Amino acid sequence: DADVTQTPRNRITKTGKRIMLECSQTKGHDRMYWYRQDPGLGLQLIYYSFDVKDINKGEISDGYSVSRQAQAKFSLSLESAIPNQTALYFCATSDPRRGADTQYFGPGTRLTVL
Amino acid sequence: KQEVTQIPAALSVPEGENLVLNCSFTDSAIYNLQWFRQDPGKGLTSLLLIQSSQREQTSGRLNASLDKSSGRSTLYIAASQPGDSATYLCAVSYNAGNMLTFGGGTRLMVKP
Repeated sequence: DADVTQTPRNRITKTGKRIMLECSQTKGHDRMYWYRQDPGLGLQLIYYSFDVKDINKGEISDGYSVSRQAQAKFSLSLESAIPNQTALYFCATSDPRRGADTQYFGPGTRLTVL
Repeated sequence: KQEVTQIPAALSVPEGENLVLNCSFTDSAIYNLQWFRQDPGKGLTSLLLIQSSQREQTSGRLNASLDKSSGRSTLYIAASQPGDSATYLCAVSYNAGNMLTFGGGTRLMVKP
């Protein structure tokens, strides 16, 4: 089983709809992240969480909100989706205490807003 | 604001060639730099991580170098194979919080 899972993998929605993307991890990491990827622009950080009670905005948090329901779960919400939020969304985890300081990514959710 | 640039954006080579992917960053005060591989429909896989105090890291046919003073890193792939075809992303972290700033990636195609 994958260590970092994302649901759904693909979603098509309409402008103005509320959308929730979910991320779960079995790695036992405290830190979790949400990124979006647009073609040719690499990944941009939306929100990050260092533990259940610590949530921070990233570079492009406008139009998004998050919820850290448990150590293993970190959800991203689009309260009122708009077409320029069409992108590939990635969740990631890390635990620098374990030495490698590497982020582990989920498979991504492809979101299309019509 | 830290900016990370990768050149070229796309690269096509015949199988067996040695190749170099480039990454540059504007703020040299980085904590570490990572190279990732991204396959279509899949997430990112970390290939190599170089701490700011290191100059290079090697894993198999991959070698990544870091020159902080010039704001550059290179990923060298020896004896390329069709299975190396993917998008390669570099990312820098500028503090111990491990928040990453990514480059736009280089899309590599290795032809049999």
